[in-house]
Order: sequence, then structure tokens, then C-alpha cells
Amino acid sequence: NAGVTQTPKFRILKIGQSMTLQCTQDMNHNYMYWYRQDPGMGLKLIYYSVGAGITDKGEVPNGYNVSRSTTEDFPLRLELAAPSQTSVYFCASTQDTYNEQFFGPGTRLTVL
Amino acid sequence: QKEVEQNSGPLSVPEGAIASLNCTYSDRGSQSFFWYRQYSGKSPELIMFIYSNGDKEDGRFTAQLNKASQYVSLLIRDSQPSDSATYLCAVIQGAQKLVFGQGTRLTINP
Repeated sequence: NAGVTQTPKFRILKIGQSMTLQCTQDMNHNYMYWYRQDPGMGLKLIYYSVGAGITDKGEVPNGYNVSRSTTEDFPLRLELAAPSQTSVYFCASTQDTYNEQFFGPGTRLTVL
Repeated sequence: QKEVEQNSGPLSVPEGAIASLNCTYSDRGSQSFFWYRQYSGKSPELIMFIYSNGDKEDGRFTAQLNKASQYVSLLIRDSQPSDSATYLCAVIQGAQKLVFGQGTRLTINP
């Protein structure tokens, strides 16, 4: 099992550009999450999904969009990148919310 | 008031001593609590979870939960330099998502 994989590992965007952060899990987990982590801070929830076709907003959804067409994939779309979106993005998955969340290695994004 | 609060540190502890990390939460109805460890530049990994009042021990780690006072703590006995990391407290919210504290940076001094 690869667990949770994320691509790319690093990316530099110019202001106003768009991109998609990819997240895939091979554990057949229903729940998937996108977090961002700013330097010296904890994790803030952007969006989450409780199953294919079902997504919901977290604490900081503005400027982002998600989709969940399969159990395995949960891509995060950034439209019109802004410097405030410079952060490390983590994807996570779990079989149910009362158990451990498994995290991907993260994507370090810089918007200049 | 933040939903989950931790002292951001840094907390410095000599090798072999007990490190004590604390976390308070605002939602009195919270049921499940997690401690994650995050090494610099890495992703978080679960150390312990606790659901019931009292203590839960796993090797050198002990989680303590006091629902009446709304705090959860993590004790690390016989601290090792490899325990140097940021420790994140997390609480389940609404049965579907975790809310994380800002993390406590722990340094173990040889």
C-alpha cells in the first residue's frame, strides 16, 4: 500500500495562476480531507469529503474548490492564486472519523 | 476563544526527564481526542488517541483526559532527542472532522 500520495511536492505560482493539487489514497477510505498549514501553526481544514460525490466546506474554503468523483481521488483546485495561499497543503484520509487520519507527504506551495 | 488551544512553546526538556504537553478545548460535548507528532518538514503522525476520562498509556507515552475541566494532556517519560518535534492536539468536531490546536514545539536537550 502506498497510503496517501500527493503531487506535486513543490510548486511556485504567480499571482492569478491556477493549479490542481492531486491526492490519491489506496486504502479504500471513505473520508478525505484537505488541510493547509502556515509556518508555526496548526492545521486548518479547507474541504472534506465523506464519500464519492459528497464534499463540504471546512474552516478556510475561500479560494479553493474540490471534487470527489471516485473513492481514491480528492483533488484540490486553486483558482486565481494569491500570496495568502502560500502554505503547505496536506491531504488526509480515514475509514471513519473516530480513527487515525493518515496524511500524505504534503505540497509546499509558494505564490509570488 | 479558540476551539483547541495549546501553548506554542517552545518547550525545552532535558533528556531523560518527563515532558508534559497540555491542550484545552471549548466544546464540552467533545468525545474523542488525538495527539499527533510532526517532525520538521514532515506530515503529522498519530501517537495516541483517548476517549474516556483518566489515563491511557502506550510505552513512554501517557495521555490524560479530564472532561470536566476540558483538558487533555500528553506525558512523555524518559524523553529522548528523537522526541523533539511539534505535538498537535486534535478534537473531533461534529462527528466528521478534526479541529487541531496550533501545536507545541518540544525540544529535548541531550
